Amino acid sequence: EVHLVESGGGVVRPGGPLRLSCVASEFTFDDYGMNWVRQAPGKGLEWVSAINWNGGSTGYVESVKGRFVISRDNAKNSLYLQMNSLRAEDTALYYCARGGNSGTTAYMDVWGKGTTVTVSS
Amino acid sequence: DIQMTQSPSTLSAFVGDRVTITCRASQSVTTWLAWYQQKPGKAPKLLIYKTSTLQSGVPSRFSGSGSGTEFTLTISSLQPDDFATYYCQQYSTYQSSFGQGTELQIK
Repeated sequence: EVHLVESGGGVVRPGGPLRLSCVASEFTFDDYGMNWVRQAPGKGLEWVSAINWNGGSTGYVESVKGRFVISRDNAKNSLYLQMNSLRAEDTALYYCARGGNSGTTAYMDVWGKGTTVTVSS
Repeated sequence: DIQMTQSPSTLSAFVGDRVTITCRASQSVTTWLAWYQQKPGKAPKLLIYKTSTLQSGVPSRFSGSGSGTEFTLTISSLQPDDFATYYCQQYSTYQSSFGQGTELQIK
């Protein structure tokens, strides 16, 4: 069964860094673009970032540009999100999601269960 | 960036009802529009992509239509399992975006 497992969430102080990871299994990881989507407590979904199959193309929502960096290691079937200068408004459940194609613009057909990030002093 | 607006935000209906949820984009997304279902405490589930293509395993009572800036998700006969929150997503540009969600409640 196709599987995505996120990790790396936790409690971090405002201004601090955190690195999220997502490990994929049971599919050919480098055939697909990948995404991070977040959901603040009690709120809707917000697309955060996407990366194409080889890491050569990335995209970010305006609110995280310059602070977050998405990357991937196809040899390890892994997706990452390096989050810097974290703010209270970054507090959310962060989902890793597979894109429907190899690019950065696609629907998302497989989702992990998410990892929680809490930014608080 | 493209703003997605869903209506209504909340919808109450009976089992067996036909319901329609609308999603409007602030500019054309052609047909690059997907719909998701999310239940409390669970990850979203893809229902429909490219406006009207049903994801594998999704019941045929779900359907999608539209183009440009206006789209609809229709559930032809509500089942108890369908009560959830629904989101549209545009993936027309390098910055994807979701609607704010429509909560479908049992009447």
